[in-house]
Amino acid sequence: EAQVTQNPRYLITVTGKKLTVTCSQNMNHEYMSWYRQDPGLGLRQIYYSMNVEVTDKGDVPEGYKVSRKEKRNFPLILESPSPNQTSLYFCASSPRAGLRNEQFFGPGTRLTVL
Amino acid sequence: KNQVEQSPQSLIILEGKNCTLQCNYTVSPFSNLRWYKQDTGRGPVSLTIMTFSENTKSNGRYTATLDADTKQSSLHITASQLSDSASYICVVRNDYKLSFGAGTTVTVRA
Repeated sequence: EAQVTQNPRYLITVTGKKLTVTCSQNMNHEYMSWYRQDPGLGLRQIYYSMNVEVTDKGDVPEGYKVSRKEKRNFPLILESPSPNQTSLYFCASSPRAGLRNEQFFGPGTRLTVL
Repeated sequence: KNQVEQSPQSLIILEGKNCTLQCNYTVSPFSNLRWYKQDTGRGPVSLTIMTFSENTKSNGRYTATLDADTKQSSLHITASQLSDSASYICVVRNDYKLSFGAGTTVTVRA
């Protein structure tokens, strides 16, 4: 089944403890992206990747890192999480970054930072 | 600043009734507008995409309209079902960037 998977789905952690949220897609998509979703604010882009080894900042990149060593994987790294990073995170992918390409979203990761 | 505003923030309708959601945007230059449905606990799924030259597009009981002159779009749900309970997100694209609305939460009651 073509899909975007994220792990973990739920995570509770404490301030300052490094964590990684994994994202994997099996559709051979070139473009991948991370978003956070907060009540009343909608989805905001954190980082995106046009292809392997090519990443760029989105609208809210502070406090996050990403890497794209393989086409299928795009992990999101929080080196020192803080409570304001408590949010619902979505990974998405699309065939390319073209104008009409639909983004396929993962199921989401709900992160709580205490 | 590119913005997408959706209204209402939430609404409750009875099963079988129709409803219309609104999306106003200031994104420029405009490339396309997409409506997504997001079920609780799931990622968004695309319903329709509309470009500048398209003013109506349907996907089953969902019909989207676009007025590129006034920069407004609407999503009409016909004969609502319990499974239509979800958030509906309007996403507008310019040449290189997506702008997301905050979404409208629809609750369909039996």
